[in-house]
Amino acid sequence: QPVLTQSSSASASLGSSVTLTCTLSSGHSTYIIAWLQQQPGEAPRHLMKLEGRGSYTKGSGTPDRFSGSSSGADRYLTISNLQSEDEADYYCETWDSYTQVFGTGTRVTVL
Amino acid sequence: QLQLQESGPGLVKPSETLSLTCTVSGDSISSSTYYWGWIRQAPGKGLEWIGGIYYSGSAYYNPSLKSRVTISVDTSRNQFSLRLTSVTAADTAVYYCARRGQIGFLDSWGQGTLVIVSS
Repeated sequence: QPVLTQSSSASASLGSSVTLTCTLSSGHSTYIIAWLQQQPGEAPRHLMKLEGRGSYTKGSGTPDRFSGSSSGADRYLTISNLQSEDEADYYCETWDSYTQVFGTGTRVTVL
Repeated sequence: QLQLQESGPGLVKPSETLSLTCTVSGDSISSSTYYWGWIRQAPGKGLEWIGGIYYSGSAYYNPSLKSRVTISVDTSRNQFSLRLTSVTAADTAVYYCARRGQIGFLDSWGQGTLVIVSS
């Protein structure tokens, strides 16, 4: 079963960019992941699917300033032109046949 | 538009059974494309996969909870349910139901329901 590793926090100024990293465990570097956003007091919501080649497909309602990329076992979420409403927890997610696996989450603070 | 809504008691006593239901609207739970799951989040903590079920009734559980969990489906009511036995304070969490799409990620979530385990 894959393990997803995320840093616990990140911060950036309003209007700037921030990049979050999700690292897949050894032997699972080709896995597709998804990024989730959880705003304070809300349920998580799907942001995008991200493949190992770096191609990504955003969910409906995901703003244009969110983008994804990949390098080896690392999957990235970049938020450009950071807005106050982007202050949230971000989780990566992957799966195998019948199980979901979540990263530990990264809390993004907008300065 | 797909909606998922969790329902059930917000307070459960230690050693008793937690029971929750997820009602699906805007889509048929009998679609073979989807897999329906339960996830929980303890206060201030991350997301934990509990398990999931197909409309056929085939269910799969997190090994760490498997001995205490049962997930069932009622296609006539477009609902699926969670039972967690022998609860302790460690089971206090917001419980979410969600739909897993054909690709594998969770594409729709309920709003979540807080369950507190306390006497």
